[in-house]
Amino acid sequence: AIQMTQSPSSLSASVGDRVTITCRAGQGIGNALAWYQQKPGTAPKLLIFAASNLQSGVPSRFSGSGSGTDFTLTISSLQPEDFATYYCLQNYNYPRTFGQGTKVEIK
Amino acid sequence: QVRLQESGPGLVQPSETLSLTCSVSGGSISSYYWSWIRQPPGKELEWIGYIYKSGSTNYNPSLKSRVTLSVDTSKNQLSLKVTSVTAADTAVYYCARETLRFLERGNYWSFDLWGRGTLVTVSS
Repeated sequence: AIQMTQSPSSLSASVGDRVTITCRAGQGIGNALAWYQQKPGTAPKLLIFAASNLQSGVPSRFSGSGSGTDFTLTISSLQPEDFATYYCLQNYNYPRTFGQGTKVEIK
Repeated sequence: QVRLQESGPGLVQPSETLSLTCSVSGGSISSYYWSWIRQPPGKELEWIGYIYKSGSTNYNPSLKSRVTLSVDTSKNQLSLKVTSVTAADTAVYYCARETLRFLERGNYWSFDLWGRGTLVTVSS
């Protein structure tokens, strides 16, 4: 199974800050990476697919980049509703594997 | 609008079998891959396996010996069974649709639709 490693595991930020989360795959996965946002008590929500494609309805302050083994999720200007846990997921092969999550907290 | 709804017992005895159903409403099960994903309290997400309308399956090797997925296209329902459960199987269980997107630079999968999840606790 491909191991996915996210960093940091948590971060504190203020409204309006630029936030960057990274995800590293244990082997090359091309662009087969998705990002999800999860708020407490709810299911994950798809933000980005194919490493950099914004899911319909997701605000443009979210963006994704990277290919191969190193990927980044960026929130250009953090909003109150963005405080949540973010996960990366590799869709390159099975079994699908998720990162361990990055919790974005209010500073 | 397609919706997914998981259902089943919230409490299962150790060594027994966990059984859940995912009902798909507002659309057909056909033409998609359907996965089960679980999340132990406070922990990360774990993919359990997928099933296609034909009944073909793919399981996570970590659970393969204990998991069975099935599909009932006439009822638009998916089912999950996990045998010989222990406390380590306590988790929120989600069903999710995996969609293939066709882009210029390639074809890409993603879980674009999820159920709300159901908490299953394994305890005596």
